[in-house]
Amino acid sequence: DAGVIQSPRHEVTEMGQEVTLRCKPISGHNSLFWYRQTMMRGLELLIYFNNNVPIDDSGMPEDRFSAKMPNASFSTLKIQPSEPRDSAVYFCASTFQVGGSPLHFGNGTRLTVT
Amino acid sequence: AQSVTQLDSQVPVFEEAPVELRCNYSSSVSVYLFWYVQYPNQGLQLLLKYLSGSTLVKGINGFEAEFNKSQTSFHLRKPSVHISDTAEYFCAVSALNDYKLSFGAGTTVTVRA
Repeated sequence: DAGVIQSPRHEVTEMGQEVTLRCKPISGHNSLFWYRQTMMRGLELLIYFNNNVPIDDSGMPEDRFSAKMPNASFSTLKIQPSEPRDSAVYFCASTFQVGGSPLHFGNGTRLTVT
Repeated sequence: AQSVTQLDSQVPVFEEAPVELRCNYSSSVSVYLFWYVQYPNQGLQLLLKYLSGSTLVKGINGFEAEFNKSQTSFHLRKPSVHISDTAEYFCAVSALNDYKLSFGAGTTVTVRA
């Protein structure tokens, strides 16, 4: 089991550029989450997918953020255009079933927008 | 909705000393409770969880936690810490069969020799 795989590990970009973060969940897991971690706000849930369908995107900050899950083994989080306040660590997590099953987190993508 | 309060933001402790990290939660319904650990530059890993049954839960790396429903607490303990326990620890809560996990702000544990 390779765990949840995220890429890239680090991303530095200039304000206004498009950023795409990638996630491969653990095989067999049917639930996928994107979180954002900052010093000021802690861990925030951005979006939750179940069986590749977005169930709750109420945590997505604004229209500049979008997420997709075209199949059970891949998800992307896109920011367009990026802004300095988007700088954070973005985590992807997966689990088999919600409610009691622990989340398995990737190692995150540290995004810096200058 | 559920919420979590971790009462200590930073806990310095000497190696081989005991440590307790305090967590209180708020919820109008029954909950599941979790403790996660985050080592530097890594994602969160599950330490232990309480779903039902015995209120004393044992986890990995010698950690344990006790669920106290009357005090709405889920404190984490380890009788003797190691340098390698230096990390950030997160308490989390979810309603039964709910996907939303509410995390506390985290407690940074620094173990000194």
